[in-house]
Amino acid sequence: GAVVSQHPSRVICKSGTSVKIECRSLDFQATTMFWYRQFPKQSLMLMATSNEGSKATYEQGVEKDKFLINHASLTLSTLTVTSAHPEDSSFYICSAATGLAAFDEQFFGPGTRLTVL
Amino acid sequence: DAKTTQPPSMDCAEGRAANLPCNHSTISGNEYVYWYRQIHSQGPQYIIHGLKNNETNEMASLIITEDRKSSTLILPHATLRDTAVYYCIAHTGDSSYKLIFGSGTRLLVRP
Repeated sequence: GAVVSQHPSRVICKSGTSVKIECRSLDFQATTMFWYRQFPKQSLMLMATSNEGSKATYEQGVEKDKFLINHASLTLSTLTVTSAHPEDSSFYICSAATGLAAFDEQFFGPGTRLTVL
Repeated sequence: DAKTTQPPSMDCAEGRAANLPCNHSTISGNEYVYWYRQIHSQGPQYIIHGLKNNETNEMASLIITEDRKSSTLILPHATLRDTAVYYCIAHTGDSSYKLIFGSGTRLLVRP
């Protein structure tokens, strides 16, 4: 199956700093990428949907100025957590889809664990 | 998307079949039943999907009732590596449409 990578896999940062997480589709072009957040012992929560070349669509309650999403190419989307605080500590997961088929499986990345001190 | 209901946890013995139920009584005609699983601290993994007919692949079988209001994911010979949270999602299959994850079923495979 198609492969989606995320970088970094783990990051620890100080409160107030910004952190960038990359999501790449390695062997296919992804017109649509999704960003999820998962707190311990909870399910995945969709944060936003990003389409290549256009602005991301954020879910209700997700601050677009805090979680900046850029989908500049068909193989790369980035999530930047700006001015991170301890409550932003979470597991961030991206998924990607080609957008070409009537049935289009989403392929998930391995996740990035963010810890804000 | 139709809401799905799953038991919070199940367990089975290694080597035995694991049968994971899912209720989706409000599923619409164009929604597929998808199953994903998430092993601890990893991203979700696609397992199988179906619309009306039963489906089988190398990982699992999916049995959908005739009225499509419920389904069962079957892992025929569970191994310890199948311990994970299993999510049942009703979804149209359109890539632009978001997947909404419920709380899933935490399956523990016992040695």
